[in-house]
Amino acid sequence: GIQVEQSPPDLILQEGANSTLRCNFSDSVNNLQWFHQNPWGQLINLFYIPSGTKQNGRLSATTVATERYSLLYISSSQTTDSGVYFCAVVSGGSNYKLTFGKGTLLTVNP
Amino acid sequence: ETGVTQTPRHLVMGMTNKKSLKCEQHLGHNAMYWYKQSAKKPLELMFVYNFKEQTENNSVPSRFSPECPNSSHLFLHLHTLQPEDSALYLCASNQLASGANVLTFGAGSRLTVL
Repeated sequence: GIQVEQSPPDLILQEGANSTLRCNFSDSVNNLQWFHQNPWGQLINLFYIPSGTKQNGRLSATTVATERYSLLYISSSQTTDSGVYFCAVVSGGSNYKLTFGKGTLLTVNP
Repeated sequence: ETGVTQTPRHLVMGMTNKKSLKCEQHLGHNAMYWYKQSAKKPLELMFVYNFKEQTENNSVPSRFSPECPNSSHLFLHLHTLQPEDSALYLCASNQLASGANVLTFGAGSRLTVL
């Protein structure tokens, strides 16, 4: 099956700093989503972005499907941005079977 | 509140117990999912239900038994579990054939098997 690799595995920032999280995938995809999991376990969808660029406030994401990677940018980070960021993809004939990466654990210190 | 509600939020059970996890979605979605999240591992898809019909069983042991009585409710019945089954169990839903297939997750049920 498709492989999804996220980097870095861990990231520590001071409040106000910017960061870039990366997701590499091993095959073409027809669906790519970024999620944030807060320290209490709640997963929230941030972006649906199989290709192109999207922005939502301080967050933006870019997927270059031909080169099989996606980037999540966090600007002016806040302590509430802490948590795990997951990339998940759908590949092949399935239109619903999301494969998740292992995530990036982000800690934003005040 | 995401529109997907899971109960209980925490559950501790012995290996001989029988318990159930419940998930309810208020979003009008037609597909529901169970995922397992263990420490240091990616989320693992367990089961998928599309219009109440099971369309995916990802080689899950029979001690986990799903039930989907209607498109808004999903249960995971648990019996004779093992300590390695301790994990966060996440329910999700989406509207298939909507193009984006964006998943909405519940807050999870954290299970500890003693």
